[in-house]
Amino acid sequence: GAVVSQHPSRVICKSGTSVKIECRSLDFQATTMFWYRQFPKQSLMLMATSNEGSKATYEQGVEKDKFLINHASLTLSTLTVTSAHPEDSSFYICSATTANTEAFFGQGTRLTVV
Amino acid sequence: QKEVEQNSGPLSVPEGAIASLNCTYSDRGSQSFFWYRQYSGKSPELIMSIYSNGDKEDGRFTAQLNKASQYVSLLIRDSQPSDSATYLCAVNIDNNDMRFGAGTRLTVKP
Repeated sequence: GAVVSQHPSRVICKSGTSVKIECRSLDFQATTMFWYRQFPKQSLMLMATSNEGSKATYEQGVEKDKFLINHASLTLSTLTVTSAHPEDSSFYICSATTANTEAFFGQGTRLTVV
Repeated sequence: QKEVEQNSGPLSVPEGAIASLNCTYSDRGSQSFFWYRQYSGKSPELIMSIYSNGDKEDGRFTAQLNKASQYVSLLIRDSQPSDSATYLCAVNIDNNDMRFGAGTRLTVKP
């Protein structure tokens, strides 16, 4: 199957700093990428949908100024958590898809804000 | 109404039994349907995809789709403890708009 690489897999940062997470589709061009957040023992929560070259569409309740998403190319999307706080600690997962196909997931990033 | 609905469970079955996971969706125009498995602390991984009405079998897994009833299910035969995970139903509702159900937690007891 297709490969989606997410980096870093784990990050610990100080409160108030910003963290950038990268999501790359390695062997296909992803027209759409999705960013999810998952708290322990809870389901995936869609944060935003991004299409290459256009602004991301954020789900209700997700602060677009706090979670900056850039989808600069068909193989790369980034999520930047700005001014992170302990309540932002979570498992962040990206997925990528092309037209009407399955979504391929990255390995996830476990963010801990101390 | 949620776009993709699943019973959150937990669903508990004994080893060797058939586990039946169900999912309904609201968008009648949906064309692509997927089942993912997610182990605790890991990303979801694709198990099955199904695009047309009827059954699709792959090893111990069978996906069933009924577009008229807007219903898709996953059967796991001869369930193993290693099948214990959360199973996510996903529906591609509008060409690249993928929506996931909340997931059903399955426990297979030895």
